[in-house]
Amino acid sequence: KQEVTQIPAALSVPEGENLVLNCSFTDSAIYNLQWFRQDPGKGLTSLLLIQSSQREQTSGRLNASLDKSSGRSTLYIAASQPGDSATYLCAAWVGSGGSNYKLTFGKGTLLTVNP
Amino acid sequence: GAGVSQSPRYKVAKRGQDVALRCDPISGHVSLFWYQQALGQGPEFLTYFQNEAQLDKSGLPSDRFFAERPEGSVSTLKIQRTQQEDSAVYLCASSLGTSGGPQETQYFGPGTRLLVL
Repeated sequence: KQEVTQIPAALSVPEGENLVLNCSFTDSAIYNLQWFRQDPGKGLTSLLLIQSSQREQTSGRLNASLDKSSGRSTLYIAASQPGDSATYLCAAWVGSGGSNYKLTFGKGTLLTVNP
Repeated sequence: GAGVSQSPRYKVAKRGQDVALRCDPISGHVSLFWYQQALGQGPEFLTYFQNEAQLDKSGLPSDRFFAERPEGSVSTLKIQRTQQEDSAVYLCASSLGTSGGPQETQYFGPGTRLLVL
């Protein structure tokens, strides 16, 4: 069974700092890897999706990398802002096709960016 | 609508009561998913619908959990004889196409927070 682990569980940084969130998964046979953001009382918002054939994806100040062989992904946030404060979830897509695909989530990293 | 909506947003139930949680997906979205998120945990897959067909219910934790989507739009997750361990946020997500897989973006609702006393 695929297990996804995120480190650290919580992180507090001053505004403007660059930071890295870590995600590891036990089964390298993932289809894709996705990073989400979750704000209190709101649903999940997809940030970046890295296909298994890719090594990284970028969107604005966010950059996510994927190393399937080592079972790791990182989310890099540049020049952090208070509005980045949220829980960041890593999720691995596993499955063999058809309706069999599922998202397996980590527990998340709670990020606080202090002004 | 503009996004996925869920109701109620909060539900308090006494142990043993039955509850029904509603999900309104984005209009026209074929695929619909339910997830359970316990406190301090990531969401866990419960079940998947393609239109009105429930193609995967492997994540439902017990036979007390039942989901339906009779007309291929609105979905209801029902929990019978609720237990304290059912306390969690229940998230609904929808996606446009029929694959329900990683090629499509899932849009999540705000969730229903269930507290069983």
